[in-house]
Amino acid sequence: NAGVTQTPKFQVLKTGQSMTLQCAQDMNHEYMSWYRQDPGMGLRLIHYSVGAGITDQGEVPNGYNVSRSTTEDFPLRLLSAAPSQTSVYFCASSLAGPRETQYFGPGTRLLVL
Amino acid sequence: AQTVTQSQPEMSVQEAETVTLSCTYDTSESDYYLFWYKQPPSRQMILVIRQEAYKQQNATENRFSVNFQKAAKSFSLKISDSQLGDAAMYFCAYRSGYGGSQGNLIFGKGTKLSVKP
Repeated sequence: NAGVTQTPKFQVLKTGQSMTLQCAQDMNHEYMSWYRQDPGMGLRLIHYSVGAGITDQGEVPNGYNVSRSTTEDFPLRLLSAAPSQTSVYFCASSLAGPRETQYFGPGTRLLVL
Repeated sequence: AQTVTQSQPEMSVQEAETVTLSCTYDTSESDYYLFWYKQPPSRQMILVIRQEAYKQQNATENRFSVNFQKAAKSFSLKISDSQLGDAAMYFCAYRSGYGGSQGNLIFGKGTKLSVKP
């Protein structure tokens, strides 16, 4: 198993550009989520999905879109990048249930100029 | 809303010694789970230990153990026989046992642990 994979590892964008951060898992996990990590802030939830076709907002959803057409993939779209979106983005997945371990991808570092 | 607080931004420990990282949380729920995650310089998030709120017994994983004080809403992590590889950011996290958002983790801001040889 590859676990949770994320691409790209690093990206530089100009303000106003759009892009998609890719996330995939091969563990047949129902639950997937996106977090952003900023210095001194810990990880904050952006969007999450409890299954294919079902998504919902987390704590900091503004400026981001998600969709979940398959169990495996959960892309995060930045509609019009802003410098405030400079961050490290983590995708995570788990089986359904609060006791289940969330497995994290390696992260994508995004710099918006 | 639930919150998680880590009051120690940085900690330091001598190799082979013991260190305790603090975490407090606020919730009105009775069903929840608590976690400690380790993030080394590689940025990979690694689960260290998990505690179910309904269990009175403190969780242990090799050199890692927790002191779970439910009434005080405290969940500290003790690392025994510290090793150089333990140097990392440590995050305390809360997960509700209720509702459709029960998969969501709420993180503290982290504690950076340094290990001195």
